Amino acid sequence: QSALTQPRSVSGSPGQSVTISCTGTSSDVGGYNYVSWYQQHPGKAPKLMIHDVTKRPSGVPGHFSGSKSGNTAYLTISGLQAEDEADYYCCSYAGSYSFVFGTGTKVTVL
Amino acid sequence: QVQLVESGGGVVQPGTSLRLSCVTSGFTFSNYPLHWVRQAPGEGLEWVAVISYDGTNKYYADSVKGRFTISRDNSKGTQYLQMNSLRHEDTAMYYCAREVNTAMDWGRGTLVTVSS
Repeated sequence: QSALTQPRSVSGSPGQSVTISCTGTSSDVGGYNYVSWYQQHPGKAPKLMIHDVTKRPSGVPGHFSGSKSGNTAYLTISGLQAEDEADYYCCSYAGSYSFVFGTGTKVTVL
Repeated sequence: QVQLVESGGGVVQPGTSLRLSCVTSGFTFSNYPLHWVRQAPGEGLEWVAVISYDGTNKYYADSVKGRFTISRDNSKGTQYLQMNSLRHEDTAMYYCAREVNTAMDWGRGTLVTVSS
């Protein structure tokens, strides 16, 4: 049950693209197409941004996208906006009903 | 509108117990697995426990196994987390979450502080 590895921080200017990686193992990220991404603003509950690796719930802006290769999943924010500044967490199914979260990444809009 | 409202948090001493509740509305409660996820101050999210839709299957993070018990009452639309032998490191915001197709809807959380 080790946390998935994310970079501590990423940054970009408005309009630029940033990508956050989420590295696990074949027992979680690599073993299932059940990776989700959550956005968390300070003092708020997490909000679902991506599920099942690539699927975007209704209401989530179209400049958020997800992908996966092997044991690593990615969240890309294209056309960075000021309101995208937040913490982002990946989450993967890990078998036997359990889940594991990533270490979290702070996105800063310069 | 889906709602999950946690309660029961507070300040407790190490070694004591606390029971958290999560009252839900806006969906068919008995159709979904439910989770507890916690976040220590300034730290990341940590999955704590899950209970299947019918309550027959329960799984726990190693950090709480043997001390915490998850349960649910489908007639009341409520899930619970019984926390025993609390430790300083259990201090966190505790979130109730509904699992929908391997993703989660979240409540706003209830704060548990374990302090002597």
